[in-house]
Amino acid sequence: EAQVTQNPRYLITVTGKKLTVTCSQNMNHEYMSWYRQDPGLGLRQIYYSMNVEVTDKGDVPEGYKVSRKEKRNFPLILESPSPNQTSLYFCASTPLAGGATGELFFGEGSRLTVL
Amino acid sequence: DAKTTQPPSMDCAEGRAANLPCNHSTISGNEYVYWYRQIHSQGPQYIIHGLKNNETNEMASLIITEDRKSSTLILPHATLRDTAVYYCIVRVLGNSGYALNFGKGTSLLVTP
Repeated sequence: EAQVTQNPRYLITVTGKKLTVTCSQNMNHEYMSWYRQDPGLGLRQIYYSMNVEVTDKGDVPEGYKVSRKEKRNFPLILESPSPNQTSLYFCASTPLAGGATGELFFGEGSRLTVL
Repeated sequence: DAKTTQPPSMDCAEGRAANLPCNHSTISGNEYVYWYRQIHSQGPQYIIHGLKNNETNEMASLIITEDRKSSTLILPHATLRDTAVYYCIVRVLGNSGYALNFGKGTSLLVTP
């Protein structure tokens, strides 16, 4: 089944304890991205990647890192989490090759709480 | 990518057509209009997209004005399960670099 898989789905952590949220897609998509969603603010893009080893900042990249060493994986790294990073996170992917419709495929979300 | 403006909320009676507007007055010639929806806290779901012609699929219809500065998503017979937040975004299709801004969307409430 074609899907975008995020882990963990739920996480409670403490300030300053490094964590990684993994994202994996099995559709051979070139483009992957991370969003955070907060009440009243909608979906805001954190980082995106056009292909392996190519990443770029979205609207709210501060406090986050990403890497794209393999096409299928795009982990989101919080080196020193703070309470303002408490949020619902979504990973998404889409193909960029010829014939692509531009449809974004989203994961089920990861709810992160930083105490 | 061009910015979009949507009303924050709308109501619709079950069985009636839901017409969700979106303004994108700064859209450029190669930018497509996309619509997604998000039910509760699930991952957003693609609905439809178009460039300048009207489009229809099994979920909805997309009407784009001739000057392309606005569009309307139409759910022809809204059901309670269509209650969701609907996002309109515009973007270039292809390999050019882009960051996608979903904005706050329109919260649609379908009532019995």
